[in-house]
Amino acid sequence: AQTVTQSQPEMSVQEAETVTLSCTYDTSESDYYLFWYKQPPSRQMILVIRQEAYKQQNATENRFSVNFQKAAKSFSLKISDSQLGDAAMYFCAYRSAEVQGAQKLVFGQGTRLTINP
Amino acid sequence: GAVVSQHPSRVICKSGTSVKIECRSLDFQATTMFWYRQFPKQSLMLMATSNEGSKATYEQGVEKDKFLINHASLTLSTLTVTSAHPEDSSFYICSASSGLMNTEAFFGQGTRLTVV
Repeated sequence: AQTVTQSQPEMSVQEAETVTLSCTYDTSESDYYLFWYKQPPSRQMILVIRQEAYKQQNATENRFSVNFQKAAKSFSLKISDSQLGDAAMYFCAYRSAEVQGAQKLVFGQGTRLTINP
Repeated sequence: GAVVSQHPSRVICKSGTSVKIECRSLDFQATTMFWYRQFPKQSLMLMATSNEGSKATYEQGVEKDKFLINHASLTLSTLTVTSAHPEDSSFYICSASSGLMNTEAFFGQGTRLTVV
C-alpha cells in the first residue's frame, strides 16, 4: 500500500518570504500523480498543484512550485512571496495512475502553515 | 474547476438517530465518489469509494452497516450515518470524479456532524 509522510506538523514564515513544505511517499508503482492541497479554516479542500510522475519537469503554478525527486520519492512544495492568504493546512497526496478507477487519494498528515505579518 | 456541492454544511442530531449527507456534482457526471472523514487537526481518511449504480467499496475498519452509501445517479451520492453516537461526530468530506484517468477529483465543502 502507498503511504505519504509529511514530517513537519507546523511551519511558519514571514510574509513575502519563501517557505518549503516537505513530503515523502512510498510506492512500488511507476506511474502515479502527486498533489498538494490547501485546506483553509473554511475546511474546503483546494488543489494547489499536481505532478505527473512520468514528467521530469517540476510543476509550477504562479507562486507555487514543486521539487519532484522520483528516485528519492520526495515531493516538496515551495511557496514564494508568501501571503497572509496562504495560511492554511497543506496536505500532500498520492494517486495511482496504473489501476483504472483507483482514483482514491492517499493523504499525508498535513502541515499547518502560519504566515507572520 | 468543477463544482461539487455537499449538504448540509452543519448538522446536529440526537444520539440514536440517523442523518443523511448529500454530495452532488453540479456540472459534470461523477462516475466515482469518495467519502472521507476528518478528525480535528488530522488528515483525511478515506471511508469508502462509490461507483454509480454499484455497491460502495469500504475501507478496512469502516462499518458498512453504519455508514450507508448510495450512488444512484451520476450526480448524487449520499452518506447516511445510522444510529449515530457521539463518537461519530466528525467532519465528513466527499469528492467526485468523472472517472477519467487524467482528471481531478473535486471536493465538496464538507459537513460537520455533531451527535449529542
